[in-house]
Amino acid sequence: NAGVTQTPKFQVLKTGQSMTLQCAQDMNHEYMSWYRQDPGMGLRLIHYSVGAGITDQGEVPNGYNVSRSTTEDFPLRLLSAAPSQTSVYFCASSYPGRTSYEQYFGPGTRLTVT
Amino acid sequence: QKEVEQDPGPLSVPEGAIVSLNCTYSNSAFQYFMWYRQYSRKGPELLMYTYSSGNKEDGRFTAQVDKSSKYISLFIRDSQPSDSATYLCAMSAYGTGTASKLTFGTGTRLQVTL
Repeated sequence: NAGVTQTPKFQVLKTGQSMTLQCAQDMNHEYMSWYRQDPGMGLRLIHYSVGAGITDQGEVPNGYNVSRSTTEDFPLRLLSAAPSQTSVYFCASSYPGRTSYEQYFGPGTRLTVT
Repeated sequence: QKEVEQDPGPLSVPEGAIVSLNCTYSNSAFQYFMWYRQYSRKGPELLMYTYSSGNKEDGRFTAQVDKSSKYISLFIRDSQPSDSATYLCAMSAYGTGTASKLTFGTGTRLQVTL
């Protein structure tokens, strides 16, 4: 099992550019989430999905879109990058139900917006 | 005011010391309480979880939850240099789907020195 994989590992964007952060898991987890981690702010939930075709907003969804067409993949799209989106982005997955607190995290994508 | 407060540290202790890490929270709906460990430039990994109040022990680690005070703790006995990491507390409310929406503290950076 590869677990949760994220690509790319590093990315530099210019303000206004768009891009997609990829996330895939091979554990057949129904729940998937995207977080951003900033110094002094901890991990904050951007969007999450409880199954294919179902997504919902987290704490900081503005400027990001998600879709979930398959169980395995949960891409995060930055529509028009801004310097405030400079962060480390983590994707996570978990089984549904009462054990969904046990989230498996990917290695992260470090994004810099200039 | 943040829903979950955690002292960012850094906390530096000698090898063999007992370490106490703490978080306070304000949301009475939180029922699941977790501690994640994050090594530098890696994704977080679940260390321990507790449902509702009480204590839980796993080897050198003990998690405590005091819901009346809205206070959770993680104790590390006989600390080792390999325990050097950032420790994140996380919490979620009860219920399918909502259990996967984790609210994290900012994390406490721990350094165990030889």
